[in-house]
Amino acid sequence: NAGVTQTPKFRVLKTGQSMTLLCAQDMNHEYMYWYRQDPGMGLRLIHYSVGEGTTAKGEVPDGYNVSRLKKQNFLLGLESAAPSQTSVYFCASSVAGYRNEQFFGPGTRLTVL
Amino acid sequence: RKEVEQDPGPFNVPEGATVAFNCTYSNSASQSFFWYRQDCRKEPKLLMSVYSSGNEDGRFTAQLNRASQYISLLIRDSKLSDSATYLCVVNQAGTALIFGKGTTLSVSS
Repeated sequence: NAGVTQTPKFRVLKTGQSMTLLCAQDMNHEYMYWYRQDPGMGLRLIHYSVGEGTTAKGEVPDGYNVSRLKKQNFLLGLESAAPSQTSVYFCASSVAGYRNEQFFGPGTRLTVL
Repeated sequence: RKEVEQDPGPFNVPEGATVAFNCTYSNSASQSFFWYRQDCRKEPKLLMSVYSSGNEDGRFTAQLNRASQYISLLIRDSKLSDSATYLCVVNQAGTALIFGKGTTLSVSS
């Protein structure tokens, strides 16, 4: 049981490049989330999904898109990366909504030059 | 006022000490409260949920005061392995959880 996994672990992009971060969970969780964590800012919710085929905006959605085509996968896309998107990105999943524990992946460290 | 506020610390304590962390939240409609732990360069992990009546898990005790919109975490008999950042987490309306910026604890021998 791997829990929540994220691919890649590290990435360096140039401004304007695009990329997709992949999150996978094997716990059959309905809810999945993408957060970013910056020094002094704490974790901030980018987008989330309450089930296969659904997505919703979080606190800081601009510059990101997401898709949840399969229940176990949640993809985060950066269409045109900017230096302000340099951050550590965490994916999480939970059985249901806010009453339930969120399980986090190990994170992706992204640098945009 | 920020939604979830914590004293960032760092708290530097010797092994065996008792240390308390505080957290305040702004949304009086919040219903779910948690403490997460995050080790350096690692992902956050749930430490414990916080219930209205207060709850204890070994050396850890969490308290909730809804009237004051205040949450606390008490760690007794601190261990070196308790060194980490402790995140206060509160739900906003609907699905979203709001994370505090965290309080850093360093336990030394």
